Amino acid sequence: NAGVTQTPKFQVLKTGQSMTLQCAQDMNHNSMYWYRQDPGMGLRLIYYSASEGTTDKGEVPNGYNVSRLNKREFSLRLESAAPSQTSVYFCASSRRAGAVMDTQYFGPGTRLTVL
Amino acid sequence: AQTVTQSQPEMSVQEAETVTLSCTYDTSESDYYLFWYKQPPSRQMILVIRQEAYKQQNATENRFSVNFQKAAKSFSLKISDSQLGDAAMYFCAYRSASVQGGSEKLVFGKGTKLTVNP
Repeated sequence: NAGVTQTPKFQVLKTGQSMTLQCAQDMNHNSMYWYRQDPGMGLRLIYYSASEGTTDKGEVPNGYNVSRLNKREFSLRLESAAPSQTSVYFCASSRRAGAVMDTQYFGPGTRLTVL
Repeated sequence: AQTVTQSQPEMSVQEAETVTLSCTYDTSESDYYLFWYKQPPSRQMILVIRQEAYKQQNATENRFSVNFQKAAKSFSLKISDSQLGDAAMYFCAYRSASVQGGSEKLVFGKGTKLTVNP
């Protein structure tokens, strides 16, 4: 039982390049999330998917797109990377967003640097 | 919008001693959930403990316990018998219980870096 996995672990991009961060969970969770963590800050929600087939914006969605590929997988795409998107990206999953005592479980993160 | 404040950027404790990390939050809601997450150098976010706002009893998980003061909007974490493996960043987080309040998302504080001295 791997929990939440993310690929890649590290990535360096040049400004304007595109890339997709991959996330998968094997806990049969309905809801998945993407957060970013900047130095000296807590995590901030980028996008989430409450259930398969739905996605919604979080606090900082500009410059990102997401795809809920199936129940297990939720990807985050940067179409044209900018230095301001240099951050550590975390994927999380939970049984059901908004449910009583729903708890989010996190992946190991992806450190992204945009030059 | 809800906010979470951790006023101690760094804390240190001697091995086997007790340390308390502070967290305050601002909300107009009466029903919500509070969490403490640990982030060791590996960067993995690990759930330490959680508390339902409607429960008066403070949550406890082995050496970790909270002091939840709803009226004061305070949610501190106490680590007893500190171990070297407790060294990490600790994040306090809030989640609304209502859809209107954004029950899908966690609102995090900026974290407290805990050092455990041998």
